Amino acid sequence: TQLLEQSPQFLSIQEGENLTVYCNSSSVFSSLQWYRQEPGEGPVLLVTVVTGGEVKKLKRLTFQFGDARKDSSLHITAAQPGDTGLYLCAGVTVYNFNKFYFGSGTKLNVKP
Amino acid sequence: DAGVIQSPRHEVTEMGQEVTLRCKPISGHDYLFWYRQTMMRGLELLIYFNNNVPIDDSGMPEDRFSAKMPNASFSTLKIQPSEPRDSAVYFCASSLGLRGTQYFGPGTRLLVL
Repeated sequence: TQLLEQSPQFLSIQEGENLTVYCNSSSVFSSLQWYRQEPGEGPVLLVTVVTGGEVKKLKRLTFQFGDARKDSSLHITAAQPGDTGLYLCAGVTVYNFNKFYFGSGTKLNVKP
Repeated sequence: DAGVIQSPRHEVTEMGQEVTLRCKPISGHDYLFWYRQTMMRGLELLIYFNNNVPIDDSGMPEDRFSAKMPNASFSTLKIQPSEPRDSAVYFCASSLGLRGTQYFGPGTRLLVL
């Protein structure tokens, strides 16, 4: 089992729809990062959230860190085909600062 | 900056052969990570280094895998002997600090026949 569980695993939607993907853990994280990976490339950082309850916006993307710092969500408004990719959350727990974890990923396909 | 550089980009080899993957991190970064990505298992952290010292190698699948970082600008991941189940995309990434942004290389697509 993964320390960071992401849901859903797969999501296929039409352009213009809204969606939310989740990153959950039973462990407390000192911070969480969200990456997007496009086919044939490596992941690229979108955002880092640090404080419990923090909300960050990146154009149509809204990221939230749970109050207890055990979970995070990514909401996309009016999805576009360019949002297609694999979304990964990642971070370091407060229990072991030498351990870095990546989540299982959500594969998003936005159809035109 | 050229970013993280990996070579080769593609590697096709036969079972039992030795495979060496190479990585040049971004200059000034103090952390270097090796990952493996497959459809079945997703992105797995194999090992990471801090200032050229291996910190966590708990993700290395077995003794056939070894990684070295002889200096701040170069790392290798070696598989000997290779097996078909090692077929995957291997990524190298570097960062400034463990919680810093990780910059990924383009990956090496390995196929073991």
